[in-house]
Amino acid sequence: AQSVTQPDIHITVSEGASLELRCNYSYGATPYLFWYVQSPGQGLQLLLKYFSGDTLVQGIKGFEAEFKRSQSSFNLRKPSVHWSDAAEYFCAVFSTGGGNKLTFGTGTQLKVEL
Amino acid sequence: DVKVTQSSRYLVKRTGEKVFLECVQDMDHENMFWYRQDPGLGLRLIYFSYDVKMKEKGDIPEGYSVSREKKERFSLILESASTNQTSMYLCASSAPIAGGFNEQFFGPGTRLTVL
Repeated sequence: AQSVTQPDIHITVSEGASLELRCNYSYGATPYLFWYVQSPGQGLQLLLKYFSGDTLVQGIKGFEAEFKRSQSSFNLRKPSVHWSDAAEYFCAVFSTGGGNKLTFGTGTQLKVEL
Repeated sequence: DVKVTQSSRYLVKRTGEKVFLECVQDMDHENMFWYRQDPGLGLRLIYFSYDVKMKEKGDIPEGYSVSREKKERFSLILESASTNQTSMYLCASSAPIAGGFNEQFFGPGTRLTVL
């Protein structure tokens, strides 16, 4: 079965600094990969997704992610973090061979220091 | 805008009560999902539905059931609530793509406390 690992439970960065959130997946075939963000008291919002093609994908709010098959990774990046980016971030994988289900990582809580 | 609404943001129930969590989507999506979210565990799929009156178990269906009588509405039922079902419950919907996957749109969540 597919799985997703987000090794960082909490990350703190200063406003204006760059950000990278790590995500590793486990699945044999090419996965469909997603990053979602959950602001306090809110549901999840899709930041970006990778299905195929260019391995560097752009999302909303200035985020991007790079799919690296050799490392089974899909890390989320932002060059300059804003205080409003403080939230919880979830990586997720969907695969048609995995029961058509979306499997989420355990999340990374981002704190932004002003 | 896609909208997924959940009947309550906060709910407090007693052990043994029957609990209904309602989810409604306005985008005519075939697929609907119920997750629970717990700190350190992320989101875990409870049940999902690909069509009216159709349901499939997710990863943690024990203690839950669902109902989908209308396309826009997907209900999660706790037959006899227990304290270990205290959690945040998130509903989602998506439109199907043959052989693929479409974005899931999430509701704001219901924080359920079972005393």
